[in-house]
Amino acid sequence: KQEVTQIPAALSVPEGENLVLNCSFTDSAIYNLQWFRQDPGKGLTSLLLIQSSQREQTSGRLNASLDKSSGRSTLYIAASQPGDSATYLCAVRRTSGTYKYIFGTGTRLKVLA
Amino acid sequence: ETGVTQTPRHLVMGMTNKKSLKCEQHLGHNAMYWYKQSAKKPLELMFVYNFKEQTENNSVPSRFSPECPNSSHLFLHLHTLQPEDSALYLCASSQDVVGAGFGGGQETQYFGPGTRLLVL
Repeated sequence: KQEVTQIPAALSVPEGENLVLNCSFTDSAIYNLQWFRQDPGKGLTSLLLIQSSQREQTSGRLNASLDKSSGRSTLYIAASQPGDSATYLCAVRRTSGTYKYIFGTGTRLKVLA
Repeated sequence: ETGVTQTPRHLVMGMTNKKSLKCEQHLGHNAMYWYKQSAKKPLELMFVYNFKEQTENNSVPSRFSPECPNSSHLFLHLHTLQPEDSALYLCASSQDVVGAGFGGGQETQYFGPGTRLLVL
């Protein structure tokens, strides 16, 4: 059974700091992994999607890496800003043919001005 | 705005009430999803619809009844709910259903803002 864990559950950092959010999963047979952002009272916004054949994806100040063999993904945020404050969720999609994304419980990030 | 709207945004209901949640997507997508997000629990997929047909029911109790009259609209009918059903209910859509094999951007899900449900 696939389980997704995100540590830490909450994180506070000063503005400008580079930071890393962690996601681990128990079954390496994944089709892809996706990072989402959720703002309070709002739905999820997709940030980055990494296919199982890829090692990383970049978008602006965000870089997500994937190591299937160790069951880990990291989301790197460079030069953090107060506007980055949100909950970050990772989700793994099981191998092709199934619909389900398995979500982690998220990391709640607060960037202090 | 993601192009996915949900109404109402907040709902309080008693256990004997009947209510419906509505989701509408303006993106021309073919697949729609209902998710449940409870406090301190991972997001849970409830139902998947592809071209108006239900393709997945994730063992959801029958007190939740989905309806998809067309590819742009998705409803979740609620009746005789329990207090533990209180949660944020999120709707999402994607161009192609997750698992269709296309991968990448065509399976990217766009989420609505959710309906915050409280069952008393």
